[in-house]
Amino acid sequence: IAGITQAPTSQILAAGRRMTLRCTQDMRHNAMYWYRQDLGLGLRLIHYSNTAGTTGKGEVPDGYSVSRANTDDFPLTLASAVPSQTSVYFCASSDSPSSYNEQFFGPGTRLTVL
Amino acid sequence: GQNIDQPTEMTATEGAIVQINCTYQTSGFNGLFWYQQHAGEAPTFLSYNVLDGLEEKGRFSSFLSRSKGYSYLLLKELQMKDSASYLCAAMDSNYQLIWGAGTKLIIKP
Repeated sequence: IAGITQAPTSQILAAGRRMTLRCTQDMRHNAMYWYRQDLGLGLRLIHYSNTAGTTGKGEVPDGYSVSRANTDDFPLTLASAVPSQTSVYFCASSDSPSSYNEQFFGPGTRLTVL
Repeated sequence: GQNIDQPTEMTATEGAIVQINCTYQTSGFNGLFWYQQHAGEAPTFLSYNVLDGLEEKGRFSSFLSRSKGYSYLLLKELQMKDSASYLCAAMDSNYQLIWGAGTKLIIKP
């Protein structure tokens, strides 16, 4: 089934631990994105990648890193988790980063940092 | 700064029409998107406007006024399954989406 998958679905993590959220798409989209969604706030862009081999910082990049070794995968790493990183994380992709390219979203990862 | 404003919550009756408004301020503008998000699920694309005017797609229509920094989503013949949050997002000059906090639409029988 074409689309975006994310893993894990949910996770409870102790503060200070390292965690990688996985994201894979099979639509051969060039652009990929990581967002966090918190109650009462809009989706906020953490990092993005316009094409394989390149990445960029979004609105809230601190404490997160990404890599884009190939077209399909875009993992997000929390080097040392803190409670303020408790959120729902969505990975998304689009055919290209230009206008009129809708973003397709994965099912999300619900992360709790204690 | 960049900002998107939309109402937090709206209530409407099954079979009726509802209009969800959105105002935006962005550095440059490359279009306005509307997404639907059911509770606990991912956002899904509804519409895109880049030129002034109304775009109609079945029961859903979206309007844009670039000069006023304003858009609305119009939902007709409301059904219970339309109960969801509706997210407004404007694309800035860097082709990044700036998102509103979403409007939770409650449909009553």
